[in-house]
Amino acid sequence: DAKTTQPPSMDCAEGRAANLPCNHSTISGNEYVYWYRQIHSQGPQYIIHGLKNNETNEMASLIITEDRKSSTLILPHATLRDTAVYYCIVRVEGNAGNMLTFGGGTRLMVKP
Amino acid sequence: DGGITQSPKYLFRKEGQNVTLSCEQNLNHDAMYWYRQDPGQGLRLIYYSQIVNDFQKGDIAEGYSVSREKKESFPLTVTSAQKNPTAFYLCASRVQGLRGYTFGSGTRLTVV
Repeated sequence: DAKTTQPPSMDCAEGRAANLPCNHSTISGNEYVYWYRQIHSQGPQYIIHGLKNNETNEMASLIITEDRKSSTLILPHATLRDTAVYYCIVRVEGNAGNMLTFGGGTRLMVKP
Repeated sequence: DGGITQSPKYLFRKEGQNVTLSCEQNLNHDAMYWYRQDPGQGLRLIYYSQIVNDFQKGDIAEGYSVSREKKESFPLTVTSAQKNPTAFYLCASRVQGLRGYTFGSGTRLTVV
């Protein structure tokens, strides 16, 4: 799986958009970009994933650059409950045996 | 509701003792995983299983053992051979395809 690089921490004001970047310059054509988040002392929670096109769901939006070497997770209206560590992961799909490789992630602090 | 149940939430062990962490899922997922997380770190893979009666070592399998006798269950035993077992342990499962992983709420193991 391709390696990802994320800033270790970010702050965001409550109600504002949180934009979390991720670099994955060695991503291959069949690797998807996944985002998870982990609230303190809980298991990680799936947020969103994508291959080439931008994606949106009830939690967030995922913007992937045209060359696929980086992506941005957008939380449109951050709340205090969005304070968590956010992990960006790239991996090949199709085999249930493939495991996730988590790095250090970005610790997002949403402030009132 | 379907999900993954890990028990207990907190576990204390004396040095030299083996201890077994429970992981049960009712999602009918084929693959199950065990991860270890140390404070401020990402997740590291211990073991994973794609089907019943089969499992593979992850990156840090030494000092751990698993079994997969039933599709729903994937218990992890932390043996006395594990030199530094104090950590947060997470169990996950997934089904083949593009869906994300589902994580349990974790077990925090402390060696006293």
